[in-house]
Amino acid sequence: NAGVTQTPKFRILKIGQSMTLQCTQDMNHNYMYWYRQDPGMGLKLIYYSVGAGITDKGEVPNGYNVSRSTTEDFPLRLELAAPSQTSVYFCASKRGDTEAFFGQGTRLTVV
Amino acid sequence: ELKVEQNPLFLSMQEGKNYTIYCNYSTTSDRLYWYRQDPGKSLESLFVLLSNGAVKQEGRLMASLDTKARLSTLHITAAVHDLSATYFCAVVLRKLVFGQGTRLTINP
Repeated sequence: NAGVTQTPKFRILKIGQSMTLQCTQDMNHNYMYWYRQDPGMGLKLIYYSVGAGITDKGEVPNGYNVSRSTTEDFPLRLELAAPSQTSVYFCASKRGDTEAFFGQGTRLTVV
Repeated sequence: ELKVEQNPLFLSMQEGKNYTIYCNYSTTSDRLYWYRQDPGKSLESLFVLLSNGAVKQEGRLMASLDTKARLSTLHITAAVHDLSATYFCAVVLRKLVFGQGTRLTINP
């Protein structure tokens, strides 16, 4: 099983550019989450989804957008990238009471 | 708003010693998770605690949950160097909210 797959693993963006971070899970999980983790810090929730067609904001949604058109996919869109968005981004999924499974992360640098 | 707080945030200890990491949360929930993160890596699930009084053990780690006190503990027994990592607790109420993490360093 692939679990949670994030692409790309690394990316360098210029200020003002846009990009989409991809997240796909093959476990039929209804919950999906996007986090960012700044160096030496904890995880901050950006957006989450409780099922296809339903998304909601987390702690730090500004500058990001998400969509959930299918159960499997939960892409995160960065519009007008800023240096403050330099971080490691993690996608996670879960179902019911099970633990959340995490992808390997996307390391994003905005210069 | 759900808040999750861990303490201590940094812990340096000697091999062979015992210690406890505490996780407090602000809103009623009976679902709490513990994760481990090694430097530069993703998060790995350690324990799932789903009811008041739940206790789980794996090797030198034991986690417990007291939902009435809104408190979970992660106890380390006779620490070894391989347990050096950052440990996170997380609580779910639709959102899955993490504590700040406890960076644990175990010295020979």
